[in-house]
Amino acid sequence: RKEVEQDPGPFNVPEGATVAFNCTYSNSASQSFFWYRQDCRKEPKLLMSVYSSGNEDGRFTAQLNRASQYISLLIRDSKLSDSATYLCVVNEGGDKLIFGTGTRLQVFP
Amino acid sequence: EADIYQTPRYLVIGTGKKITLECSQTMGHDKMYWYQQDPGMELHLIHYSYGVNSTEKGDLSSESTVSRIRTEHFPLTLESARPSHTSQYLCASSEFGRSSYNEQFFGPGTRLTVL
Repeated sequence: RKEVEQDPGPFNVPEGATVAFNCTYSNSASQSFFWYRQDCRKEPKLLMSVYSSGNEDGRFTAQLNRASQYISLLIRDSKLSDSATYLCVVNEGGDKLIFGTGTRLQVFP
Repeated sequence: EADIYQTPRYLVIGTGKKITLECSQTMGHDKMYWYQQDPGMELHLIHYSYGVNSTEKGDLSSESTVSRIRTEHFPLTLESARPSHTSQYLCASSEFGRSSYNEQFFGPGTRLTVL
């Protein structure tokens, strides 16, 4: 079983749609959680951290459920520029990040 | 934009060659990392460093070695490249701090192909 699991997609959605990605992690002692965005053939960039209380940044909302070891990302009013791969990332301690394989999103006009 | 640089961006070499992938950051970060990523796959940590003269192996076994003689510089070396080393290598850095939420900033990566 992988330490961080994501649905690889692709998710093909029209502009303006709401889309949700899920992620599960296996290590219950994991300390912190993130969503990174990776464009094709580019480096990952931090999209947002995920806090226990849930947090929102514009059109993006992240949720964490420690009991179920589950993280989610909701994107509202999708834009063409949101097309990318979204990486679920878990810090198991010591700043060693564990990356999921990513969920690919394609937003079409 | 993150101030972390990698050279070369693309490298095609023959088997048996010695290569060094360069990584430099101008943010004064103490922590630096090397990841390996195959197409469509997750990133795997192969080396990391908490500061000058500190180097540790990551979770993925790698035949490469690293050094950290200066804070801003974290080169990765392969003594004898093989086709199995073909991959993308990503360097990252982060601040040293107690928070587990320190962001890691990534360089643009080096795409290595070994023939």
